[in-house]
Amino acid sequence: DAMVIQNPRYQVTQFGKPVTLSCSQTLNHNVMYWYQQKSSQAPKLLFHYYDKDFNNEADTPDNFQSRRPNTSFCFLDIRSPGLGDAAMYLCATSRGGTGSYEQYFGPGTRLTVT
Amino acid sequence: QKEVEQNSGPLSVPEGAIASLNCTYSDRGSQSFFWYRQYSGKSPELIMFIYSNGDKEDGRFTAQLNKASQYVSLLIRDSQPSDSATYLCALEGSYKLIFGSGTRLLVRP
Repeated sequence: DAMVIQNPRYQVTQFGKPVTLSCSQTLNHNVMYWYQQKSSQAPKLLFHYYDKDFNNEADTPDNFQSRRPNTSFCFLDIRSPGLGDAAMYLCATSRGGTGSYEQYFGPGTRLTVT
Repeated sequence: QKEVEQNSGPLSVPEGAIASLNCTYSDRGSQSFFWYRQYSGKSPELIMFIYSNGDKEDGRFTAQLNKASQYVSLLIRDSQPSDSATYLCALEGSYKLIFGSGTRLLVRP
């Protein structure tokens, strides 16, 4: 089945220790997104790639970086995690193109910062 | 700045009833709207999208869009306890989704 996969599902890191979250997709979608979601809040878009074009949200801290080495994979790097970065991180994909805006989410990675 | 407003709930309905979830938005030019269901601790799941004025039905779910009044609704017929979740309304803007804060639905057995 075509799908969006995130690894790991749960990640524990120490304050200030860099961490990388992974997302892969078998949908062959052009657009990949990273969201941060905290308890009882809506998902907050951090950035997205349309093909190789990177689009950062204005309020995304510099501590968050992303890489998309190919169509299938996208990574979220948190350079120096703080306690406030503990959240669920969601990867989503969309086909892109006019009239095709549906986004499909992976299962998420729950990040704990100790 | 596009905004999406939802009542946070909880909306409590008895099993078998129709649950009606509503969403209003600020940008009159918005064209594409989405409903996601999110169970506690899980990721959002797309259940409906609607691009045209009127109703769109899929099984027990009906999405309704009224662009003149700037609202979009989700009706869930024959509500089941398994429908208990948070329902997120979203609209599309420049290939991004703008989410509402979600309405929590509780279906009582």
